[in-house]
Amino acid sequence: DAGVIQSPRHEVTEMGQEVTLRCKPISGHDYLFWYRQTMMRGLELLIYFNNNVPIDDSGMPEDRFSAKMPNASFSTLKIQPSEPRDSAVYFCASSLGGGNEQFFGPGTRLTVL
Amino acid sequence: TQLLEQSPQFLSIQEGENLTVYCNSSSVFSSLQWYRQEPGEGPVLLVTVVTGGEVKKLKRLTFQFGDARKDSSLHITAAQPGDTGLYLCAGGTPMNRDDKIIFGKGTRLHILP
Repeated sequence: DAGVIQSPRHEVTEMGQEVTLRCKPISGHDYLFWYRQTMMRGLELLIYFNNNVPIDDSGMPEDRFSAKMPNASFSTLKIQPSEPRDSAVYFCASSLGGGNEQFFGPGTRLTVL
Repeated sequence: TQLLEQSPQFLSIQEGENLTVYCNSSSVFSSLQWYRQEPGEGPVLLVTVVTGGEVKKLKRLTFQFGDARKDSSLHITAAQPGDTGLYLCAGGTPMNRDDKIIFGKGTRLHILP
């Protein structure tokens, strides 16, 4: 298996623009997690899905953030409008069963100018 | 809110030295995972400990879960430059319906050659 795939790897955009991050989980995994990592706050869970259904989005910072999982092999995290404080590395992870080993993608480094 | 406190936050030592990093909480966890993250990559699972007092060894790395399942330690013997990275502990919570794990902020380890 290719592992968790994320795109793009790097994104530089201007404040106010819409940003869409993409994730393909490992085939057969039933959980998908979106995290944000910064030096100050560490690795923060934003939202997670079980069998394509959002279970907990309490970590989503505000209404500017939204996530979807239209099928078992694809998820998106959208920020609209983006702000400089959204600059971070965004990780997608998947697992087989909840609470088990999570397999992380390589991350998307987002810079909002 | 269940928090995992990791210490030290940063550690820089010479190759060949021994070190221990800690992961502490006031909450009980059903299991505890240790991940290592290298620059530009996502975290990768090293080990999972489940039973209070459990000790697991992975080559020069020794992981211990506290008897009360509130804390854990990672000891590295004869550190090597390849051990450099961010070490994250993550706890699974017992007796709840959440399937997520909670990450600490990590210990950033740098081994000097």
